[in-house]
Amino acid sequence: NAGVTQTPKFQVLKTGQSMTLQCAQDMNHNSMYWYRQDPGMGLRLIYYSASEGTTDKGEVPNGYNVSRLNKREFSLRLESAAPSQTSVYFCASSGGGETGNQPQHFGDGTRLSIL
Amino acid sequence: SQQGEEDPQALSIQEGENATMNCSYKTSINNLQWYRQNSGRGLVHLILIRSNEREKHSGRLRVTLDTSKKSSSLLITASRAADTASYFCATDRDSSYKLIFGSGTRLLVRP
Repeated sequence: NAGVTQTPKFQVLKTGQSMTLQCAQDMNHNSMYWYRQDPGMGLRLIYYSASEGTTDKGEVPNGYNVSRLNKREFSLRLESAAPSQTSVYFCASSGGGETGNQPQHFGDGTRLSIL
Repeated sequence: SQQGEEDPQALSIQEGENATMNCSYKTSINNLQWYRQNSGRGLVHLILIRSNEREKHSGRLRVTLDTSKKSSSLLITASRAADTASYFCATDRDSSYKLIFGSGTRLLVRP
């Protein structure tokens, strides 16, 4: 079982470039999430999608946009990358209902460096 | 802002010993979850405890929750080298769709 798949695994960008991080899940989950993890810190929520067709801001949404393409796929876009966005990005998914009641399943992350 | 804060930040023990990690949070919760993260990998869900539960077991894991003190603990018994990882608590808040993660405890189990 693939679970949650993120592409690419590594990426280096120059300041001002744009890119899209891809995420797909094969568990038929309703909810999907994007987090960033900075060294020595826990995860911070960027955006989430409670169900297909809806997206909402998390704790640190500035500089990012998302698209819930269908039930399986949830992408994260950096329109104009900045060095402060250097981080490891994780996508996660969970079953229906309120988040706290459901475990989240994570991909292995995209390591993004912005020079 | 971090809802949960783990303590200690780092823990080093010998294989076979027990490891205890603590999590404190600030606001009322419905559920608390614990996750493990191996180096270079994503988080893996370990256990979920609801606010009306006081203790929960899963294999060598024991989680307690004290809502009056706004704290939880994760006990790993008879630790193994493979338990070396970072451990995070995560809480929901006011029935929202958002999980708030703590900064984690880095556990090293020495063979």
